[in-house]
Amino acid sequence: EPEVTQTPSHQVTQMGQEVILRCVPISNHLYFYWYRQILGQKVEFLVSFYNNEISEKSEIFDDQFSVERPDGSNFTLKIRSTKLEDSAMYFCASKGTTSSYEQYFGPGTRLTVT
Amino acid sequence: DQQVKQNSPSLSVQEGRISILNCDYTNSMFDYFLWYKKYPAEGPTFLISISSIKDKNEDGRFTVFLNKSAKHLSLHIVPSQPGDSAVYFCAASPDRGSTLGRLYFGRGTQLTVWP
Repeated sequence: EPEVTQTPSHQVTQMGQEVILRCVPISNHLYFYWYRQILGQKVEFLVSFYNNEISEKSEIFDDQFSVERPDGSNFTLKIRSTKLEDSAMYFCASKGTTSSYEQYFGPGTRLTVT
Repeated sequence: DQQVKQNSPSLSVQEGRISILNCDYTNSMFDYFLWYKKYPAEGPTFLISISSIKDKNEDGRFTVFLNKSAKHLSLHIVPSQPGDSAVYFCAASPDRGSTLGRLYFGRGTQLTVWP
């Protein structure tokens, strides 16, 4: 069964450093998302991406964040200068079509900022 | 931002019994609702969904009920099995034409099914 994959599973970085989180969505899916979950809190939407551009972003997704689909398979989230409060699980998700609602999530990347 | 609420952080049920997980929402624009299950160190796994034009959707042991007037939905698991022990998230999506599918999540309910 097709699945969303994410690398790395755990990333430790120092405050102020740049990190890139990588995702490979399900191959025939068209919509891509990043969510995050701070420990003990709910899963929060960051950004959606369709047709090679951002379609929506939340108030969390400020200028420190960017997304890219550099090729036909990868979808990346970059945090330019990490802060302690960026420590969280980051989940990538994808969905197939406009008429579908179900998003399929990857296993997540645990980002720890020290 | 508490548009989707799961007021019970935990639920403990004996194997074979019914598990009922509840979810409330405040945004009238939500028109599609989903339940996800999450095991530790894994991502949320899609379980079952329901459109606002329906009041019930069933898939095997899982049934979701939607009460639009009360802005309430529930997930029933019958019979419950130990493998169902996980965190269950309720999620909602507004009209797809306006947001292309952003999901709003509740905080989750930890279900424990004991033998």
